[in-house]
Amino acid sequence: EIVLTQSPGTLSLSPGERATLSCRASQSVSSSYLAWYQQKPGQAPRILIYGASSRATGIPDRFSGSGSGTDFTLTIRRLEPEDFAVYYCQQYGGSPWTFGQGTKVEIK
Amino acid sequence: QVQLQESGPGLVKPSQTLSLTCTVSSGSISSGSHCWSWIRQPAGKGLEWIGRIYTSGSTDYNPSLKSRVIISVDTSKNQFSLKLSSLTAADTAVYYCARVSRQWLVGTGEYYYYGMDVWGQGTTVTVSS
Repeated sequence: EIVLTQSPGTLSLSPGERATLSCRASQSVSSSYLAWYQQKPGQAPRILIYGASSRATGIPDRFSGSGSGTDFTLTIRRLEPEDFAVYYCQQYGGSPWTFGQGTKVEIK
Repeated sequence: QVQLQESGPGLVKPSQTLSLTCTVSSGSISSGSHCWSWIRQPAGKGLEWIGRIYTSGSTDYNPSLKSRVIISVDTSKNQFSLKLSSLTAADTAVYYCARVSRQWLVGTGEYYYYGMDVWGQGTTVTVSS
C-alpha cells in the first residue's frame, strides 16, 4: 500500500498569499496518478488536480499541481476567501487507492 | 450534468450489514468511460477509499475492508451499491459514492484515469445499538 504523507498539517495564511502544500508518497506513484481534492465543512470533496498537474474542469488557474515519483505539490497562487478549506492528495496508480491525511488551510 | 445520490439507513446496529445505494442521474452508469467508487470519512477525520466497480462487474477493494465488503452494479436501475458486514462503531462515518472518469488511449491498449471527478453529497451512517 502506498502511504501518502501531507505537510504541513495546518497552513495559516492571509488572503492574497501563496499556499504551497506537499504530498510525499512511500513509493513511486505509477503514471503520476496523483490527484488533489478540496473539501469544505459539510461538503463532499471536489477534485482540483488529476495526473499530478492537470486542472479539472472549471478549476481556476490559481491552482496548480506539480511533481512526479514520490514528491508532489499543490500551489495556490493567491488565496481567495473561498480557498480556505482542507486539501487531500490521493494516489490512484496502485491498489489500494489511498489518501493523505489532509492539510488544513486556515485564515491567519 | 451527471449527479450521484447516496441512499440507505442512517442508523445500523453492531454486527449487522450496511446496505447503501448510489443512484446516477443525468448520465448512464453503463458508459465504459467510467468506473464507480465508494469512499468513507469518520467525523473529523480523513478519507478512506473502500473500493470500486466497473460496469463489467469487475471490482477492486481496499484490503483493510475486503473481507466485509461487496460492491455491485445494477445497470437497469443506473445504480451501484455497497454492502458492509459485521459492523462495529468504527464503521460510523459519512459514506460517499463517486465517479471515476477514464479514457481509452488509442494505440496504447490502456485507459488513462482522471480521478474521482463527480461525488455524491454523502450519507451519514451511525453504528449503534
